[in-house]
Amino acid sequence: EAGVTQFPSHSVIEKGQTVTLRCDPISGHDNLYWYRRVMGKEIKFLLHFVKESKQDESGMPNNRFLAERTGGTYSTLKVQPAELEDSGVYFCASSNRGDEQFFGPGTRLTVL
Amino acid sequence: GQNIDQPTEMTATEGAIVQINCTYQTSGFNGLFWYQQHAGEAPTFLSYNVLDGLEEKGRFSSFLSRSKGYSYLLLKELQMKDSASYLCAVRDRWQAGTALIFGKGTTLSVSS
Repeated sequence: EAGVTQFPSHSVIEKGQTVTLRCDPISGHDNLYWYRRVMGKEIKFLLHFVKESKQDESGMPNNRFLAERTGGTYSTLKVQPAELEDSGVYFCASSNRGDEQFFGPGTRLTVL
Repeated sequence: GQNIDQPTEMTATEGAIVQINCTYQTSGFNGLFWYQQHAGEAPTFLSYNVLDGLEEKGRFSSFLSRSKGYSYLLLKELQMKDSASYLCAVRDRWQAGTALIFGKGTTLSVSS
């Protein structure tokens, strides 16, 4: 069974540009989460989908971040426009009944 | 607020036993998770405790005391491949699929 995959693995963009991160959860997992780890800090929750619906988006830092999960399969996280403080590693995780969360390898975003 | 504390770094030698502590102060509690993360890779699930006591899984064991807000991860017969970051995470609500609150992680270095 394939694990959670994320694309790209690395992204380097300039301040003001737009970046879209993609997450493919484990097939059949209804729950999909986005987390972020900035340098020196802990992994922090951004938002949670149940199928295509946003269950909890309390961790989204501001309206420059937009997450979608059309059709309840893969999800995208768009940052527009990117700022320097958005640099970090963005993790996606999925779970079946909401217990163990399976994480992807992350996308390392660098904003210059 | 929500707070999870764990030591930043630990060192140990092959074959030894190491205990990584985690204390938490959260508004609610519905389970504590330990994850292992090698550099550049996805965090992988190690253990889950929701009731007080010890959960053993091979060389790894995890303990929980809810009254003390305390957990530890015990690693026995250390191997070089155990060098990694160990993340303590708490789920603070009973609602299914609730996101995790992470500590900053403990970097364990195992030497020969």
